[in-house]
Amino acid sequence: QLQLQESGPGLVKPSETLSLTCTVSGGSISSSSYYWGWIRQPPGKGLEWIGSIYYSGSTYYNPSLKSRVTISVDTSKNQFSLKLSSVTAADTAVYYCARPVITMTLGGFDPWGQGTLVTVSS
Amino acid sequence: EIVLTQSPGTLSLSPGERATLSCRASQSVSSSYLAWYQQKPGQAPRLLIYGASSRATGIPDRFSGSGSGTDFTLTISRLEPEDFAVYYCQQYGSSQDTFGQGTKLEIK
Repeated sequence: QLQLQESGPGLVKPSETLSLTCTVSGGSISSSSYYWGWIRQPPGKGLEWIGSIYYSGSTYYNPSLKSRVTISVDTSKNQFSLKLSSVTAADTAVYYCARPVITMTLGGFDPWGQGTLVTVSS
Repeated sequence: EIVLTQSPGTLSLSPGERATLSCRASQSVSSSYLAWYQQKPGQAPRLLIYGASSRATGIPDRFSGSGSGTDFTLTISRLEPEDFAVYYCQQYGSSQDTFGQGTKLEIK
């Protein structure tokens, strides 16, 4: 059974870079034609897609975040990562990693990681 | 960017009733790449429907999705107590995913 787990600091200072990793277990990140995604949810608010990456490194980003986002993949560790630079309080959110249920699509996510709360504060 | 507008914002119903949730897109959603999720407090979203009408694994058949183009609907035929939650639609037919703002389904 495929499982995803987010990890990284729960507190980041304003203007610094948020870094999270999603570790995939129960399957290989490079064994089939899936895009792997990051989604976030500010406290009490809705869902926002951040971006997605293919195991080859091909990426798609949310245009509203594109200038600050980098998503990368490490197939040797079966992980993919998120970096968000120049963070502000507006970036405080629960960050989820997820995989689409259908290959070669960017959504219809299942499964999801449990999510990790990242707070931006000095 | 495709904007998704969900209605109503809040839906108050009783167990056993039928729920109809709407998701309208600002432009046509390619290949009916439209998904529905259920989210309960403190939990990750749970995929219910993908491809506009395909139920995800383990989802009860009281949940059904329909629609194409710009108008999509999630129907819950007979509400169970565990169905009261927030529901989101998502389009993934372009190179940029977007989510609707959510519909809260509450017990009347």
